[in-house]
Amino acid sequence: AQKITQTQPGMFVQEKEAVTLDCTYDTSDPSYGLFWYKQPSSGEMIFLIYQGSYDQQNATEGRYSLNFQKARKSANLVISASQLGDSAMYFCAMSTGRRALTFGSGTRLQVQP
Amino acid sequence: AAGVIQSPRHLIKEKRETATLKCYPIPRHDTVYWYQQGPGQDPQFLISFYEKMQSDKGSIPDRFSAQQFSDYHSELNMSSLELGDSALYFCASSKSGANLQGGYEQYFGPGTRLTVT
Repeated sequence: AQKITQTQPGMFVQEKEAVTLDCTYDTSDPSYGLFWYKQPSSGEMIFLIYQGSYDQQNATEGRYSLNFQKARKSANLVISASQLGDSAMYFCAMSTGRRALTFGSGTRLQVQP
Repeated sequence: AAGVIQSPRHLIKEKRETATLKCYPIPRHDTVYWYQQGPGQDPQFLISFYEKMQSDKGSIPDRFSAQQFSDYHSELNMSSLELGDSALYFCASSKSGANLQGGYEQYFGPGTRLTVT
């Protein structure tokens, strides 16, 4: 079974600052993928970034980067230069192949002006 | 770029009624997933289809059924609705890669918000 743990129910960050959202995972699968999704108050689930377990480099997508530490089983999301529009719920998730995503409980990020 | 389409976006039903949710995946995506997200919760996997065949089952109640049609759209049928079925229902789709290492990016539709009264 795959398990995701997000220990920060809520986070505050000042506009233009960087913020790190924590995610740890557990799995016995030798290969897996790690994902981050953003869910604004409007409800849609927006894919942000993906990291494969065999990827040598940390994934980056614009202002998003994934700090992948395989030995520690962590996959933290770093958002640089926070914007007011970044205020949302953020979910860390994992899967292998075509299997369904297993989600963490989420972190609610609030960006303050 | 084309996205996952879900209909209806909002649905209000009474207890014991039935509901049908529809999902149109991104073109050329071969896998469809259904998730249920209760208020303040993370999405929970219900069921998935790969190339129109059911491929995996999660915590889907026996009152629910789903299928994927020849045009790849999928429908989630919900019968004998209960108050606890009130939730946001997501459909997601993905495209398989050349190998099964890692995971495949799943793209979510906007969701159907079901309210059971």
